Amino acid sequence: EDQVTQSPEALRLQEGESSSLNCSYTVSGLRGLFWYRQDPGKGPEFLFTLYSAGEEKEKERLKATLTKKESFLHITAPKPEDSATYLCAVQGSGAGSYQLTFGKGTKLSVIP
Amino acid sequence: KAGVTQTPRYLIKTRGQQVTLSCSPISGHRSVSWYQQTPGQGLQFLFEYFSETQRNKGNFPGRFSGRQFSNSRSEMNVSTLELGDSALYLCASSLDGKGYTFGSGTRLTVV
Repeated sequence: EDQVTQSPEALRLQEGESSSLNCSYTVSGLRGLFWYRQDPGKGPEFLFTLYSAGEEKEKERLKATLTKKESFLHITAPKPEDSATYLCAVQGSGAGSYQLTFGKGTKLSVIP
Repeated sequence: KAGVTQTPRYLIKTRGQQVTLSCSPISGHRSVSWYQQTPGQGLQFLFEYFSETQRNKGNFPGRFSGRQFSNSRSEMNVSTLELGDSALYLCASSLDGKGYTFGSGTRLTVV
């Protein structure tokens, strides 16, 4: 069974204070690891897909990296508008290859 | 281009009733997935449809069912509603199973 654990559950940063969010996973054959951002009352918004260990992707102040056991979402010099819940999900190649298994998320608050 | 459209946005139902939620995927996307999101359990997979066929089903009771039409629009139905079914129900569509775009969800409250 695929499993995803995200830490910390909540993170409070001052504006400009860089940090990283962690996503640890176990999966039977990784087809993809996904990062989403979710604002209150809205659906998840796609950020990145990573496919293999060593891969990195960047978008504005966000950078996602992947190893064989975990992924990190690095946030550089965050702004208050980066406040949201960040979700990590994996897609395996086993019997459940058409579903995403999500972690519980990290709620990020960026204080001006 | 238009995103994933879910209707209605909000619903209030009474225990024991049934409810039908609708999802229109991005044009050209033939895969539609449904997820339930609650504060305690997070996002949990319900089922996935491709070309009117259910390919995957999550660990939910038989009260939860779905279907997909020939135009790729999908509906999910929950019968005999329980208080614990109160949640945000999210639909996601995909072109090739490598990326999933979510709708804004339907907030269901069971009283």
